[in-house]
Amino acid sequence: NAGVTQTPKFRVLKTGQSMTLLCAQDMNHEYMYWYRQDPGMGLRLIHYSVGEGTTAKGEVPDGYNVSRLKKQNFLLGLESAAPSQTSVYFCASSRTVDRAMFFGPGTRLTVL
Amino acid sequence: EDQVTQSPEALRLQEGESSSLNCSYTVSGLRGLFWYRQDPGKGPEFLFTLYSAGEEKEKERLKATLTKKESFLHITAPKPEDSATYLCAVTDSGGSNYKLTFGKGTLLTVNP
Repeated sequence: NAGVTQTPKFRVLKTGQSMTLLCAQDMNHEYMYWYRQDPGMGLRLIHYSVGEGTTAKGEVPDGYNVSRLKKQNFLLGLESAAPSQTSVYFCASSRTVDRAMFFGPGTRLTVL
Repeated sequence: EDQVTQSPEALRLQEGESSSLNCSYTVSGLRGLFWYRQDPGKGPEFLFTLYSAGEEKEKERLKATLTKKESFLHITAPKPEDSATYLCAVTDSGGSNYKLTFGKGTLLTVNP
C-alpha cells in the first residue's frame, strides 16, 4: 500500500516549457487535490476532483490544467511555465471532503 | 471568508518542556478541523480530525482539543523527534461542495 505517490520528485524548466505532474493513489479515494506550497503563503489549492472524470478550480488555478481520466490518477499540467510557478507541489486524496486528506511526498519545481 | 490563524509562528522548547499550539478559526459552519505534521522536504502527515466543540483526541505525546473558536495542540514532554511544522486546516459546511482552508503553520523545534 503506497498511499499517494508523485512523479517526478524534482524538475527544472525554462520559461515557456510545458510539463505534466502525475499523482497516483491506491486507497480508492474519490477526492483528489493539487496544492502548491510557497514560503510565507502556506498551502494553496490549485485544482481538485470529486470523482473520476470531474475537475474543479481551487484558489489559484491560473496557468494550470488538470485531468482525472482514471479514479486513481490526477494529472497537473503546466502549458507554458512561468517563474512564478516555481514552488513545491503536493497532491492529496481523501475519501470525502470531511475526512482526512493524505498527501504525497511533493514535487519541487523550479522555472528559470 | 474562512480564516485560520496559527500561533505562535515558531516555538522553541527544551526536551520535556510541555506547551500548546493554537489554531483559531472563523468559518460559517465548522465541518471538520484537521491537524497535520510536516517534516522538512516532505508532505503533510495527518494527525487528527475534530468535528465538534468539546471533542479531544490523543496520539502519543500529542492531544488535540476543540472549542467553537479555536483548537489547541498540546504537546506533553516533547522529544527532539517532535520537531516539525504543525498545520491546522478547517472545512466549512456552507455553500460550496468543497472548501478547505489551511493555516500557515507553527514551526516547533525541540532541543535535546
